[in-house]
Amino acid sequence: GNSVTQMEGPVTLSEEAFLTINCTYTATGYPSLFWYVQYPGEGLQLLLKATKADDKGSNKGFEATYRKETTSFHLEKGSVQVSDSAVYFCALYNTDKLIFGTGTRLQVFP
Amino acid sequence: DAGVTQSPTHLIKTRGQQVTLRCSPKSGHDTVSWYQQALGQGPQFIFQYYEEEERQRGNFPDRFSGHQFPNYSSELNVNALLLGDSALYLCASQNWGGNQPQHFGDGTRLSIL
Repeated sequence: GNSVTQMEGPVTLSEEAFLTINCTYTATGYPSLFWYVQYPGEGLQLLLKATKADDKGSNKGFEATYRKETTSFHLEKGSVQVSDSAVYFCALYNTDKLIFGTGTRLQVFP
Repeated sequence: DAGVTQSPTHLIKTRGQQVTLRCSPKSGHDTVSWYQQALGQGPQFIFQYYEEEERQRGNFPDRFSGHQFPNYSSELNVNALLLGDSALYLCASQNWGGNQPQHFGDGTRLSIL
């Protein structure tokens, strides 16, 4: 079956620190992979995506590379800001639906 | 260009009641999916509508039903509400076919007393 596993949070960082949020997946076939972000009281916003192996998705300083050999799609950012504080969801898209991980809360302090 | 809009924003019901949630997709989109997000969890797929038909369904009981209208908007109905139905209900829209990203609304927060 299809599933997504994310590292548990919260992840607590100081401003300008390096961020990594781990995500691994299990899937049949060749899914597309996504990172979504959810700010308090809001819905999900698409952060970045990758549709095939070795693709790198990037947006707003965040990036993630689709690694088929390790079935991973880790999210990274070189220098986080307080405004990046949110919950981040890794998801795979297969058979016309999204399968989400449980989310990782990021807290960034000045 | 309006994004995905959902109504109402918040709703409080009691056990056994019925509820209807509404969604208007992003302009130009023809496919609507519904998700349930319990507190502290990731969203879970409920079902998807295209051309006014339910195309896929997740692992949810028949108490959860839906509808899509000719203008692509959609409703989610839940009957015989249980305490465990308390959650954020998210609507997402996209164009049918391919790996098009889904765009989400801000959700409806449903609380069951």
